[in-house]
Amino acid sequence: GQQLNQSPQSMFIQEGEDVSMNCTSSSIFNTWLWYKQDPGEGPVLLIALYKAGELTSNGRLTAQFGTTRKDSFLNISASIPSDVGIYFCAGQAGLRGAQKLVFGQGTRLTINP
Amino acid sequence: DSGVTQTPKHLITATGQRVTLRCSPRSGDLSVYWYQQSLDQGLQFLIHYYNGEERAKGNILERFSAQQFPDLHSELNLSSLELGDSALYFCASSGNAGDEQYFGPGTRLTVT
Repeated sequence: GQQLNQSPQSMFIQEGEDVSMNCTSSSIFNTWLWYKQDPGEGPVLLIALYKAGELTSNGRLTAQFGTTRKDSFLNISASIPSDVGIYFCAGQAGLRGAQKLVFGQGTRLTINP
Repeated sequence: DSGVTQTPKHLITATGQRVTLRCSPRSGDLSVYWYQQSLDQGLQFLIHYYNGEERAKGNILERFSAQQFPDLHSELNLSSLELGDSALYFCASSGNAGDEQYFGPGTRLTVT
């Protein structure tokens, strides 16, 4: 089955630093999504990417759909305490009408003030 | 607030029992997806319904079943519960199959 490798698994940074994380897949995806999950809450959609090479920003967050369609990247600039949480990438493939999301294992972000 | 609601928020039950989790999608969304999140396994796709019809299945156990009703709400039924079924169960909805999915707050199931 399809698998996503997300790295790094965890990050410990200082407030104000930039953050980069990525996901790679063994197969092609049509859509890449990035979510953030706080403890005990549901994942919240941050950015959606639909085209190879697409670069999309949402405030301090920027994500890219890799040109091979097998990878995606998320960058967070000037991190702040509320950025703490687990970030998941998710890839979507399959025939329209019968698609499912495959999730990466998550990147746990911890920020030291 | 994603607009997706799930009840109950917490559920504690014993092994061998059966429970029903409920999900109401965002207004106007036709697709409902169910996911299981265990501590050691991340988010696993279970099943997808679109406008009342099953569209895709993931690693859903035979002891689990789901349905989507005419008003588009969905229920996930878990039977013959085992300790290993303890997890967070999320539903998500989207306008059309293949669109961005928005997640509910989840139901935390504890099987004792």
